[in-house]
Amino acid sequence: GQQLNQSPQSMFIQEGEDVSMNCTSSSIFNTWLWYKQDPGEGPVLLIALYKAGELTSNGRLTAQFGITRKDSFLNISASIPSDVGIYFCAGQYNNDMRFGAGTRLTVKP
Amino acid sequence: KAGVTQTPRYLIKTRGQQVTLSCSPISGHRSVSWYQQTPGQGLQFLFEYFSETQRNKGNFPGRFSGRQFSNSRSEMNVSTLELGDSALYLCASSLARRGGRDTQYFGPGTRLTVL
Repeated sequence: GQQLNQSPQSMFIQEGEDVSMNCTSSSIFNTWLWYKQDPGEGPVLLIALYKAGELTSNGRLTAQFGITRKDSFLNISASIPSDVGIYFCAGQYNNDMRFGAGTRLTVKP
Repeated sequence: KAGVTQTPRYLIKTRGQQVTLSCSPISGHRSVSWYQQTPGQGLQFLFEYFSETQRNKGNFPGRFSGRQFSNSRSEMNVSTLELGDSALYLCASSLARRGGRDTQYFGPGTRLTVL
């Protein structure tokens, strides 16, 4: 269920700006995942993190697995209009998977 | 490799009816999880199936049930539909690797509307 604190809830930015969002939890996880969801579609995996301190990039996206294993952040650099959507974080510990409420990103051209 | 597929994509039912949704996981994936997504509640975990057995269950009433077949395909059934069951139902599959390095891949979802 939804037990991660994800912030911000929404962001309105200008095209070309950088974006940062994060997720925190009171529990530790051994996997952090970041997804993007477009309206009416399923979430699409962006980045998977498996080790505390791990920093991983996927094009203009960069995510990090916090060293306490209780948090993660996602950065998007030089945003473009197609970055619009809802970004979800997910933390997993063994068979237990939890999601953040999502960050709704709007990019103004 | 084909992604997770869900059928049907859209469904309209009336209160009291029952519905069955289908999910075909990515080839080789043995775990299938189901989620309900609504604007107010976000992603809510329903259940997970692994090797034809329900391994985890969320906090949903018994009207929600599922099963998994030997080819890992899964179905979800909702009986006696209520208006509040209107939602996007998402299926996700994974390899079910041990040690936490397990990544879920989602299907496009089935949009269920209950009238």
